[in-house]
Amino acid sequence: QVQLQESGPGLVKPSETLSLTCSVSGLSVSEVYFWGWLRQPPGRGLEWLGNIYPSGRSAYNPSLKSRVTFSLDTSKNQFSLKLTSVTAAETAFYYCARGVSAATFDYWGQGMLVTVSS
Amino acid sequence: QSALTQPASISGSPGQSITISCTGSNSDLGSYNFVSWYQQHPDKAPKLIICDVATRPSGISNRFSGSKSGNTASLTISGLQPEDEADYYCSSYSTDGSYVFGSGTAVAVL
Repeated sequence: QVQLQESGPGLVKPSETLSLTCSVSGLSVSEVYFWGWLRQPPGRGLEWLGNIYPSGRSAYNPSLKSRVTFSLDTSKNQFSLKLTSVTAAETAFYYCARGVSAATFDYWGQGMLVTVSS
Repeated sequence: QSALTQPASISGSPGQSITISCTGSNSDLGSYNFVSWYQQHPDKAPKLIICDVATRPSGISNRFSGSKSGNTASLTISGLQPEDEADYYCSSYSTDGSYVFGSGTAVAVL
């Protein structure tokens, strides 16, 4: 059974760094597909943050490119997100997901609410 | 502001068919067949129901169907059922290498 689970601090101060980890079970993060991060402000729509590939290469949403970094830890079967200099507008549910082709994510984590507030 | 435009809400009676439109541009829907649709129930993660314009993943009801013409994609739900009440989002690949989402459509089953 495939499961993805986001973890990390649920509260981050403005201007600080948001860090989340996605733990994967039932699949290997080093297999042929790729892994994505997406977010959804409460009551609003979805936004793609980017992908990380088994090679470790990443593709980022151009709107975030200078502030976002992904990493892959094959030994722990996890991948991670770091987003620097966050603002209150980035309060959202953050999801990790498996990507199988462009704009196609078939397995999702349950989502984690991260609140940006002092 | 979302890159793809969807109607805010659509309603229908059980058994009816409804169609949700998703309008983009030549930079996304008009150039690629990487179009997906997601269903999201309250407090749940999105669920993939259509990929590659019209392909249903395994386990998805054939009551869901997708199509595309020019810069507009569509999701049709046939034989509307109470459990179809949810938010629906379209998504597409874009020429800048990003994935863009629609604004979302709330479907109500009356």
